[in-house]
Amino acid sequence: EPEVTQTPSHQVTQMGQEVILRCVPISNHLYFYWYRQILGQKVEFLVSFYNNEISEKSEIFDDQFSVERPDGSNFTLKIRSTKLEDSAMYFCASIGGAYEQYFGPGTRLTVT
Amino acid sequence: KNEVEQSPQNLTAQEGEFITINCSYSVGISALHWLQQHPGGGIVSLFMLSSGKKKHGRLIATINIQEKHSSLHITASHPRDSAVYICAVKREDTGNQFYFGTGTSLTVIP
Repeated sequence: EPEVTQTPSHQVTQMGQEVILRCVPISNHLYFYWYRQILGQKVEFLVSFYNNEISEKSEIFDDQFSVERPDGSNFTLKIRSTKLEDSAMYFCASIGGAYEQYFGPGTRLTVT
Repeated sequence: KNEVEQSPQNLTAQEGEFITINCSYSVGISALHWLQQHPGGGIVSLFMLSSGKKKHGRLIATINIQEKHSSLHITASHPRDSAVYICAVKREDTGNQFYFGTGTSLTVIP
C-alpha cells in the first residue's frame, strides 16, 4: 500500500533558526495538507496545497510559515524563525478520493 | 469555540467488550473522518463518512446528519485497539480544511 513519508522524524533547533520539514506524498495525489499537534492538544490544520499553490490556510499559518513543492515529489513546510511555541508534531497528509487522508508518520519539532 | 466534541475523553474497557465513542459537531458538514492515533503518534485513517454506516472488520462507524452526531463502535475489543480515536469534520461552508476533536483515549485491558 502506498504511504506518505516524512523527514526528519525528530528535529531539534534553537529559537530563531529556520527549519524545513519534508514530506513525500503519494505519487498520484494532487492535494496535500500540513497539520500540527502540540503535545497533549488536538490536531490543528495549517495549510492545504493544490496544484502547486496554497489552497487554504489557517490563522496559525502566518508569515513565518511557507510551503513548497520544489521538485514535483517532495512537499516542504518551512518555518523561518522558530519560536518555542512552534514545538509540536507536524503531520503531512496526502489526499485521495473523497477527501480520504493518508497521514505521514510526523516530524517532532523541538525548539529550545 | 470547539466545533467538534468527543465523548468520553477517556475510556477503559476489558478485552472483549463492545465500545462506543461519540462525536458531536455544531456545524453543517460535508464529510466526517474517524482516525486512530497510536501511542507513538502516528495517525491512521479509519473511515470517511458523509452518510449512513460503514464497517471494516471489528469497526463500525455511523453518522446521523440531522442530529449532527457520529459514533465509532469497536466489537470484541482487544488490547491492540488501545489508542486515541479522533473525529474530524470537513465543514460545508469553509473550504477544505478539517476541524478535529480532542480525541478519545481508549485503553483495553487484557
